[in-house]
Amino acid sequence: AQTVTQSQPEMSVQEAETVTLSCTYDTSESDYYLFWYKQPPSRQMILVIRQEAYKQQNATENRFSVNFQKAAKSFSLKISDSQLGDAAMYFCAYRRGQFYFGTGTSLTVIP
Amino acid sequence: NAGVTQTPKFQVLKTGQSMTLQCAQDMNHEYMSWYRQDPGMGLRLIHYSVGAGITDQGEVPNGYNVSRSTTEDFPLRLLSAAPSQTSVYFCASSYRGYGYTFGSGTRLTVV
Repeated sequence: AQTVTQSQPEMSVQEAETVTLSCTYDTSESDYYLFWYKQPPSRQMILVIRQEAYKQQNATENRFSVNFQKAAKSFSLKISDSQLGDAAMYFCAYRRGQFYFGTGTSLTVIP
Repeated sequence: NAGVTQTPKFQVLKTGQSMTLQCAQDMNHEYMSWYRQDPGMGLRLIHYSVGAGITDQGEVPNGYNVSRSTTEDFPLRLLSAAPSQTSVYFCASSYRGYGYTFGSGTRLTVV
């Protein structure tokens, strides 16, 4: 089975600053998809960003961007200009057929 | 509204009771899954389906049954509830290669 590792159980960031959440994964495949999901206290899972492994260009969605290093099997999420509403649990996920999720990083935003 | 509808949102069961968690999507997604979320363990796959009439086991299938008679519906049945099944349950659906759309979750307590 594939594994997804998020080595930072908790992170904090000052409002308006930048924070990077780490994710590594294990796979022998060359074609797959990677995702970051946000889970605020409401419990709803929200898709933040999607990356296709065959694309070298890093995905960007407004203040959210990724650093995708395929050879290193690394997929970090950068949140710029952090806002109070960014406080949530963030999950990294790998997909080739099935999805595999990391255990999450809890992000606190300090006013 | 297009999306994944999960019912109920909350449920308390007594040990040994059975129940069905309902999940319906109106996006014509072929792929549907059930996850449970426990503190510190991320999302664990219970069962999934790649299309009507096709289901398969995930990481933690024991004590649960599923069926997929239509593209839209993917109910999860708890056969004989146990306290270890106390969790938050999520249903999710997707097209191949895309991210999941999640339901809002069901918080189940087994006493």
